[in-house]
Amino acid sequence: AQKITQTQPGMFVQEKEAVTLDCTYDTSDPSYGLFWYKQPSSGEMIFLIYQGSYDQQNATEGRYSLNFQKARKSANLVISASQLGDSAMYFCAMRERASGGSYIPTFGRGTSLIVHP
Amino acid sequence: EPEVTQTPSHQVTQMGQEVILRCVPISNHLYFYWYRQILGQKVEFLVSFYNNEISEKSEIFDDQFSVERPDGSNFTLKIRSTKLEDSAMYFCASREEGAEETQYFGPGTRLLVL
Repeated sequence: AQKITQTQPGMFVQEKEAVTLDCTYDTSDPSYGLFWYKQPSSGEMIFLIYQGSYDQQNATEGRYSLNFQKARKSANLVISASQLGDSAMYFCAMRERASGGSYIPTFGRGTSLIVHP
Repeated sequence: EPEVTQTPSHQVTQMGQEVILRCVPISNHLYFYWYRQILGQKVEFLVSFYNNEISEKSEIFDDQFSVERPDGSNFTLKIRSTKLEDSAMYFCASREEGAEETQYFGPGTRLLVL
């Protein structure tokens, strides 16, 4: 079973509009964390936002917010006021404790976001 | 702002050859990671390294892979005998003690095995 599911292979949004990128996860670890990364066409991975499983509030970082619905096991990324520079691949990831005690992340397949003027 | 660096940015090699990918993590970081991303696919965890030893490794990280921290700054990934399917982008990442939520990724090395 997929641990991280991103059901939207591609999304389009108009500049200045908000967009939601979906992510659902599956884990039996009560202590997990959820991340979103941005990968522009240049290839680097840019950390955007993190949500811990015990965090009561939804994480926010500037124009990025994470809509964390624990019961639904979803961690959608909301980008407000989209900019042309937001066009990129977006990866949702989850970290869980591995057998050796460390946390390791599992990534989803990504969503390609295109912002058009 | 400190950043993770990786060299080379691109590497082309013949099948069966050994390659060494180099990373310089952020200087006060103690945890190091390698990931790979086959073209058009998701990022996959390979290995994590702490205190001069491997702390976790994935099923992908088989005997042909090894990691080393040869000095106080470099962190290397060696692929002993490359296969066509090793062609991918390889990312190094690092984080500091206690900051489990934030790994900083390098720009990646694109490896092409012919």
